[in-house]
Amino acid sequence: GAVVSQHPSRVICKSGTSVKIECRSLDFQATTMFWYRQFPKQSLMLMATSNEGSKATYEQGVEKDKFLINHASLTLSTLTVTSAHPEDSSFYICSAADRRETQYFGPGTRLLVL
Amino acid sequence: AQTVTQSQPEMSVQEAETVTLSCTYDTSESDYYLFWYKQPPSRQMILVIRQEAYKQQNATENRFSVNFQKAAKSFSLKISDSQLGDAAMYFCAYRRGPYGGATNKLIFGTGTLLAVQP
Repeated sequence: GAVVSQHPSRVICKSGTSVKIECRSLDFQATTMFWYRQFPKQSLMLMATSNEGSKATYEQGVEKDKFLINHASLTLSTLTVTSAHPEDSSFYICSAADRRETQYFGPGTRLLVL
Repeated sequence: AQTVTQSQPEMSVQEAETVTLSCTYDTSESDYYLFWYKQPPSRQMILVIRQEAYKQQNATENRFSVNFQKAAKSFSLKISDSQLGDAAMYFCAYRRGPYGGATNKLIFGTGTLLAVQP
């Protein structure tokens, strides 16, 4: 149990385009999902907390207009990187919290912006 | 603010031996949760073990166990009978509880890279 999927696993896009990443909890409902960014050999950096049916809460320094988050259902949250630039290239990971509020993580998405 | 410290950037263990990874944290809260996550080269974060602060008994999951010292704010992970598949980055994490929403974000340590020698 407690499986979280993330799609796509890898994406390459041109600078200026937008990219959408999906995060799904497959076998449980998640009222809260989280989006992280991870640089090589570093820990996870929380970008935002996504609550079903309400606006996401962004961490300090994260541009909400650049990283659009939608949590439309109890099993799906999406992160859209708008007008992506090379500096947005990174590894993005989502997690979903179960009813015991333990976070389970998706496999991550490698984004490369050319 | 809460902080999590992992003072061992890298550790190494022989296959079948036991290794302990250290983690300390700082908080003024009395109710919280602690976690160990494993991140192998695939970069998939995997929950290893969870500990509720109100429980005095140390959590165990098969070969993985913790030594939770609440007064000392220490939460070490012991891996027994180490296997090659245990090689990974291990992150210690803290979460306030048991409230919902943004306040329940995980605070991660910087990680310990564990190598398992055959």
